[in-house]
Amino acid sequence: QKEVEQDPGPLSVPEGAIVSLNCTYSNSAFQYFMWYRQYSRKGPELLMYTYSSGNKEDGRFTAQVDKSSKYISLFIRDSQPSDSATYLCAAPKAAGNKLTFGGGTRVLVKP
Amino acid sequence: EPEVTQTPSHQVTQMGQEVILRCVPISNHLYFYWYRQILGQKVEFLVSFYNNEISEKSEIFDDQFSVERPDGSNFTLKIRSTKLEDSAMYFCASSDWVGEEKLFFGSGTQLSVL
Repeated sequence: QKEVEQDPGPLSVPEGAIVSLNCTYSNSAFQYFMWYRQYSRKGPELLMYTYSSGNKEDGRFTAQVDKSSKYISLFIRDSQPSDSATYLCAAPKAAGNKLTFGGGTRVLVKP
Repeated sequence: EPEVTQTPSHQVTQMGQEVILRCVPISNHLYFYWYRQILGQKVEFLVSFYNNEISEKSEIFDDQFSVERPDGSNFTLKIRSTKLEDSAMYFCASSDWVGEEKLFFGSGTQLSVL
């Protein structure tokens, strides 16, 4: 079983819509969860990180973690064409451990 | 804004040749990493490095791979004898402390092994 899974997409939305991204994980040892954004042929860029269950908000981005169902979400409000990218969820098993990435979901925001 | 710098951006080599990928991490960071991404696949962990030694490595990081911090600013990944399957984008990353895994990634080196 893959440790971190995402729907590959593409997820196409009109500009201004809410983008909803999901990620599931199988390993209860994961303690922290991150969302990275990756533009084509570029390195991942950290958007959000969360430790506990619940919501965390940063500008137009909201990350949600439900540890009971092993489900992670990222919501992007008022989406812009510049949000078009691949969004990766990732988690380490403990502080200092390697990050395990999901396969990423490609998002297209159409003007 | 400080950033992780990687050179070259694209490296083409013949199978069996040695390559060295170079990275300049963010200056006050202490933890250094190499990840790779084969086209269309997940970003995969290769190795982490702290206090001048490897702290963790994946099964991908076999004897053909080595890492070095030759001076106070550079962090290198060497592949001793490249294989076709080593073709990938290699990302260097750094972080300033262990705890929340705020890794900062470089833009990557695209390695093409012919």
